[in-house]
Amino acid sequence: DTAVSQTPKYLVTQMGNDKSIKCEQNLGHDTMYWYKQDSKKFLKIMFSYNNKELIINETVPNRFSPKSPDKAHLNLHINSLELGDSAVYFCASSQGGASNYGYTFGSGTRLTVV
Amino acid sequence: AQSVTQPDIHITVSEGASLELRCNYSYGATPYLFWYVQSPGQGLQLLLKYFSGDTLVQGIKGFEAEFKRSQSSFNLRKPSVHWSDAAEYFCAVDNDYKLSFGAGTTVTVRA
Repeated sequence: DTAVSQTPKYLVTQMGNDKSIKCEQNLGHDTMYWYKQDSKKFLKIMFSYNNKELIINETVPNRFSPKSPDKAHLNLHINSLELGDSAVYFCASSQGGASNYGYTFGSGTRLTVV
Repeated sequence: AQSVTQPDIHITVSEGASLELRCNYSYGATPYLFWYVQSPGQGLQLLLKYFSGDTLVQGIKGFEAEFKRSQSSFNLRKPSVHWSDAAEYFCAVDNDYKLSFGAGTTVTVRA
């Protein structure tokens, strides 16, 4: 069983479209995250949810809106996609802060905006 | 905020040779440190982590790392590299419910 699963794995779309990426974890963790990996492979956190409550919101355009319907799911919706949004988006989860067990990452969603 | 630096952008090593990847952190107290590996086109896999205690940490795939407070370092080592170890390696530090990553080190393994 995949611990943190993301769908889709690949997403190719045109500028201006709206798209969503879904993430689910079956580890029973209470905190979930979205990270963005740019073309230089640099990884940066975007959002963090703890028990469905937003606790971290880094400097991200408000075209990006996360939604957590329950502790096991964290989706990312992106409006009016731009070329610069092309990246790999990783979902992750942890139990409390990472100091207990660390973070578990999904396999990523490669978003290409054309 | 805590941060990590990986001084080496790219390392090439022969199969069977030893490997050491450098990571330096900036933080006053004891940081929570991690090493992740990303194979081409894949997600991030946790190799090992350091929270406290023994400063030599054993991980998966034959990797180990040593926490040295005096040098603010958490270097990753493997005694004998396999071709499958070719990947991107990231050092990271916990910053209150988020990971701050280094820029990564690309490891190329030559036959």
